[in-house]
Amino acid sequence: AQSVTQPDIHITVSEGASLELRCNYSYGATPYLFWYVQSPGQGLQLLLKYFSGDTLVQGIKGFEAEFKRSQSSFNLRKPSVHWSDAAEYFCAVGIMNRDDKIIFGKGTRLHILP
Amino acid sequence: GAGVSQSPSNKVTEKGKDVELRCDPISGHTALYWYRQSLGQGLEFLIYFQGNSAPDKSGLPSDRFSAERTGGSVSTLTIQRTQQEDSAVYLCASSFGGTYQETQYFGPGTRLLVL
Repeated sequence: AQSVTQPDIHITVSEGASLELRCNYSYGATPYLFWYVQSPGQGLQLLLKYFSGDTLVQGIKGFEAEFKRSQSSFNLRKPSVHWSDAAEYFCAVGIMNRDDKIIFGKGTRLHILP
Repeated sequence: GAGVSQSPSNKVTEKGKDVELRCDPISGHTALYWYRQSLGQGLEFLIYFQGNSAPDKSGLPSDRFSAERTGGSVSTLTIQRTQQEDSAVYLCASSFGGTYQETQYFGPGTRLLVL
């Protein structure tokens, strides 16, 4: 069965430090991958998505993610985090079948230290 | 243009009562999704509408849950005889099309608490 795993439930980094949030997926074919962010009191917002082509994808708010087929991973990165990046981040995989479902991971909550 | 809106934003109910949650998608979006977000459980897919029809109802947790969509727009998620385990944030999303490639735009959610 298809699945998405975000191994880290919570991550804490200092403001200005670099960030990497991990995401691993289980899917037989080339997946369609997404990262969404949920800021406090707000709905989920798409950060970036990967369908094909260049495996390094640029998103909004200075985020990027790299698709690594050999590792079944789609990790999210940012070189220097800001206090406003404190939020919950969800990785998701789009399933290509008749149901066209998107499966979300359980999320990683990012805390920023001043 | 307005985003996806949901009402009510918060709902407290007693066990055994029925509740209705409403979602207004972005105008022109044909696809509409309902998810449930419980603490530590991520987003659980409930149901998906393409227009007024629901090709995928596989995520509904029990027959106490039902949803409908009228006029290809507003959707209502109904939970009958609520249980305490139904307490969660219910999120609605819409997309222009209905494929896995589409960006989903989420509403702010309805926080349901069943006492």
